[in-house]
Amino acid sequence: AQRVTQPEKLLSVFKGAPVELKCNYSYSGSPELFWYVQYSRQRLQLLLRHISRESIKGFTADLNKGETSFHLKKPFAQEEDSAMYYCALGGLTGGGNKLTFGTGTQLKVEL
Amino acid sequence: DTGVSQDPRHKITKRGQNVTFRCDPISEHNRLYWYRQTLGQGPEFLTYFQNEAQLEKSRLLSDRFSAERPKGSFSTLEIQRTEQGDSAMYLCASSTRGADSYNEQFFGPGTRLTVL
Repeated sequence: AQRVTQPEKLLSVFKGAPVELKCNYSYSGSPELFWYVQYSRQRLQLLLRHISRESIKGFTADLNKGETSFHLKKPFAQEEDSAMYYCALGGLTGGGNKLTFGTGTQLKVEL
Repeated sequence: DTGVSQDPRHKITKRGQNVTFRCDPISEHNRLYWYRQTLGQGPEFLTYFQNEAQLEKSRLLSDRFSAERPKGSFSTLEIQRTEQGDSAMYLCASSTRGADSYNEQFFGPGTRLTVL
């Protein structure tokens, strides 16, 4: 069974401090991992996906298959990073890609 | 706005009543997903369509729930005989189907259901 664990419900950091949002997954196949973000009063949107290996808004995430982790990192937090972050695992189903989400981490960047 | 739209945005109903939600995906997207999100949880997969075919249903989707996508465009999700446990945010998402199976899912704003 697919499972995603985000151990922190809330992460509070000061502006300019490094950020690490933790995500661990359980999946028997080859995983596809994503980070989705939801800013206040906005809809859920994709932040980044591991196969792209890109940096979006200064965030990066590396897939570690040995530790089954996909932590989201940013070296210097900005106030506009305050949002709810969800780690998600994609699983092939009938050719589609349903997502299994973690419970989310609320990131609060304080001045 | 060419994004995914959902209607209504909010629905309050009494226990035992039937409700129906609508989702309009991005026009060129042939995949459509329904998720449910309760307080303090992430979205949970309910069902998935490719064009008009419903290809998978989660065990969360009890017999009281039914989803359709009759012409491969908009979709409806109906809940019969609502229960208080059905209170949640119902999210719709759409995506294209390409060579890469994991195409980005674009989410709608959701329909918040409250069952009294």
